[in-house]
Amino acid sequence: QITLKESGPTLVKPTQTLTLTCTFSGFSLTTYKVGVGWIRQPPGEALQWLSVIYWDDDRRYSPSLKSRLTIAKDTSKNQVIQTMTNLDPADTATYYCVHWDGNLHAFDYWGQGALVTVSS
Amino acid sequence: DIQMTQSPSSLSASVGDRVTITCRPSQSISTYLDWYQQKPGKAPKLLIYAASSLQSGVPSRFSGSGSGTDFTLTISSLQPEDFATYYCQQSYDTPPTFGQGTRVEI
Repeated sequence: QITLKESGPTLVKPTQTLTLTCTFSGFSLTTYKVGVGWIRQPPGEALQWLSVIYWDDDRRYSPSLKSRLTIAKDTSKNQVIQTMTNLDPADTATYYCVHWDGNLHAFDYWGQGALVTVSS
Repeated sequence: DIQMTQSPSSLSASVGDRVTITCRPSQSISTYLDWYQQKPGKAPKLLIYAASSLQSGVPSRFSGSGSGTDFTLTISSLQPEDFATYYCQQSYDTPPTFGQGTRVEI
């Protein structure tokens, strides 16, 4: 079955860079129409899509965060890594790794989430 | 970005009630609309994709309808485990965008 798990720091200082790793199993990121992305949720707020990388290495970013985000994949390790630069307390959120199914056109599997707090 | 407006933002209901949640995008999105359920402290779960297709394993009391700029999620008979927050999301255009959520309370 498909599983995804986020890993990374729980506490980051303002202006620092956040690197989150998604380790997945049950599918291959070389399969047509598959993608892995990131969605975050500040405490008590709604969901915000951040980035996605597709089977063909196409990458898309939230326009409002594009200058700060980078997404990459390591298919040999079944991992997707997202980096976000110049962190601000407003970036405090739970960060979810998600599986994109291009046939359903939906995020059909989610990781458990990783809470990242930005504070000095 | 396509703005997604859900209504109501919260509602109170009882077990057995029929519940309807509406989602209106700021422009037409054909049927590229998904619904998610989120319980406190948990990741969202896909309920409905492509506006009306039930995700595998989701109870049939959940249904979705609509196209263009008017969508509805219906729970035909509310069960205790359905008390949660529900989000709509458009996958018509990048960036994918979510509604602000509808909290279903007892």
